[in-house]
Amino acid sequence: DQQVKQNSPSLSVQEGRISILNCDYTNSMFDYFLWYKKYPAEGPTFLISISSIKDKNEDGRFTVFLNKSAKHLSLHIVPSQPGDSAVYFCAASAREYGNKLVFGAGTILRVKS
Amino acid sequence: EPEVTQTPSHQVTQMGQEVILRCVPISNHLYFYWYRQILGQKVEFLVSFYNNEISEKSEIFDDQFSVERPDGSNFTLKIRSTKLEDSAMYFCASSETGGSGANVLTFGAGSRLTVL
Repeated sequence: DQQVKQNSPSLSVQEGRISILNCDYTNSMFDYFLWYKKYPAEGPTFLISISSIKDKNEDGRFTVFLNKSAKHLSLHIVPSQPGDSAVYFCAASAREYGNKLVFGAGTILRVKS
Repeated sequence: EPEVTQTPSHQVTQMGQEVILRCVPISNHLYFYWYRQILGQKVEFLVSFYNNEISEKSEIFDDQFSVERPDGSNFTLKIRSTKLEDSAMYFCASSETGGSGANVLTFGAGSRLTVL
């Protein structure tokens, strides 16, 4: 099951700079996309979501961009902070599939101070 | 802030033994889920539960697995006869609605299962 892919296993960014985390998907039935953050020994925590009918959603330092024609979305974090260091998961859902979340493999973000 | 609580945080068991993982979802949530993450792999959907019955299950969720909401607050995952490959972190999650809008799941901290 490779419906949601995060091709970069890790990303290292300097504090204060922009972090860009990428996600690709294959199933055009997905109608919502979500980003979750996970610290060690904790469960994933919700960050931000976007509907498939939108191309951008912003919440503070976090912005998600959706390119539906390319089946690609990205999460921008600016400015990056050391506390942002975590694993970031892209997830997608479709009403036709009961709205369960399908997760990507995750990207480890390290923000260096 | 409301949270999903899971117990135990870590369980070690022998192959073939039964294991029960427990979860207390957020009280006003109606949809409940179990996911698992094998070390180094992605978070995988196991089962969703609504209105006291399974609404969807994955291929992973075979006859060895069962879920129950025994008392209106707890939500349990039982593995009848554990196998080595069941070793994973098991996450319980709940959501307010499975309907319109983004289905934002709130996850617990997970229960690490180690099968020897």
